[in-house]
Amino acid sequence: DTEVTQTPKHLVMGMTNKKSLKCEQHMGHRAMYWYKQKAKKPPELMFVYSYEKLSINESVPSRFSPECPNSSLLNLHLHALQPEDSALYLCASSQDEVRTSGNTIYFGEGSWLTVV
Amino acid sequence: SQKIEQNSEALNIQEGKTATLTCNYTNYSPAYLQWYRQDPGRGPVFLLLIRENEKEKRKERLKVTFDTTLKQSLFHITASQPADSATYLCAHPNTGGFKTIFGAGTRLFVKA
Repeated sequence: DTEVTQTPKHLVMGMTNKKSLKCEQHMGHRAMYWYKQKAKKPPELMFVYSYEKLSINESVPSRFSPECPNSSLLNLHLHALQPEDSALYLCASSQDEVRTSGNTIYFGEGSWLTVV
Repeated sequence: SQKIEQNSEALNIQEGKTATLTCNYTNYSPAYLQWYRQDPGRGPVFLLLIRENEKEKRKERLKVTFDTTLKQSLFHITASQPADSATYLCAHPNTGGFKTIFGAGTRLFVKA
C-alpha cells in the first residue's frame, strides 16, 4: 500500500466549479510533486515543492493552483477547468528533490478527474 | 533534446518465460535509470534503480542492466506470472537532475 494518500479518488466537476485535490504523506519527505497522466501516456510533471516552497512549475495554466500548507500536505486547487484537463492526477513525494542522485519517487493512487 | 524511448508499446509472453523490456536514451548520459511498475488506474510503484557505474542489479525475479555504450537499459522478469501483467516505466533524471522524465511505458501481458 502506498504511503502517499490522495483524496478524492474520483472527482467530476463542471467547467465553472472550484474544487481541490488533496495529498498527504507521513514519510518525512521534503519534496512533493503533482503529476498529470493521460491514458496510455507517461506521468507528466506539473509542480515540485521542496521544503514547502514551490521550486518547479512546468508552465502549467493558472487554472491549476498548487498549495503546500505544511511539509506533509499538498493541495491542487482547480478552477475553470476544460474537458481536456480530464486525467489522472498523481501526487508523489521523495526524500529530497530529484537532484539528489537516485531519489525514489513514491506515488499516491491518484485522483481521477473528469471535467464536464 | 533528451529523449527516452521504450521500444515496445506492448509485449505478450507466456507464463514461465522471461520478459525483456528495453529502454533507450539519446542526447544524454543519465547518472542513473529507474524502473517503475504501474497497474491500471493506480500510481507507479518503484522497482529498481541502477547507476551508470553498475552493470547489473537484481531483486528477486527482476534484473536490470545498464549499458552506457549502447545507451540502453534492459529490464528482465524471469519465470513470469500473470500477476506481472502491468505497464513498466523507465525513468531518468533530466540534465541538471532536477526532475524525473518517464518513458511512455511498455504494457506487459503474461498469459497463463
